[in-house]
Amino acid sequence: EVHLLESGGDLVQPGGSLELSCVASGFTFTKFGMNWVRQAPGKGLEWVSGISSDGAATTYADSVKGRFSVSRENSKNTLYLQMQGLRSDDTAVYFCAKGTYGNNPEYSDSWGRGTLVTVSS
Amino acid sequence: DIVMTQSPDSLTVSLGERATINCKSSQNVLYSSNNQNYLAWYQQKPGQPPKLLIYWASIRESGVPDRFSGSGSGTDFTLSISSLQAEDVAVYYCHQYYRIPYTFGQGTKLEIK
Repeated sequence: EVHLLESGGDLVQPGGSLELSCVASGFTFTKFGMNWVRQAPGKGLEWVSGISSDGAATTYADSVKGRFSVSRENSKNTLYLQMQGLRSDDTAVYFCAKGTYGNNPEYSDSWGRGTLVTVSS
Repeated sequence: DIVMTQSPDSLTVSLGERATINCKSSQNVLYSSNNQNYLAWYQQKPGQPPKLLIYWASIRESGVPDRFSGSGSGTDFTLSISSLQAEDVAVYYCHQYYRIPYTFGQGTKLEIK
């Protein structure tokens, strides 16, 4: 059974930084692309970032480009999202999601329960 | 960016009746070289992460009841629930993965009448 466990969410001041982690189990992590998707309180889903299975290719939403950085450590089955220059509109639950086999994460067939990031002074 | 527009925003259906949710993309999401529509549907219940229902526009994810079906091609897609059950109360999202940035529809809230 696929299991994705996010951590690192916290209350942070505007302009601050935070790193989210997602530990994966139940599948061969090295073979699948991964996505980060967020959901602001009471709002819909917003794709944030994707990364290929080998970590060589990364993609971002315009709203986070230049501020967020996605990476993965395949030896530890762990996905990361480094966030800098945080703004109030980054406040959301951040979901780690397993993408499809191969390089492009495409759609997400398994999701973690999410970790809450709150940006406020 | 490809804008995904769902209709209606909310839907109230009686138990056992059919529910239909529409999704329109601002650009074609059919990739001609493999004839695949890069379109998925998710279900999200309160306090839970989204759950994949349908991918490639019409392929039902393993374990999803066969009352859920997806159809459409190009820019117009539909999620149908043939006989609504109480546990189907949720918000439903369409999602294009044809082009970066991936985008979602705004969601359709499905309730029981």
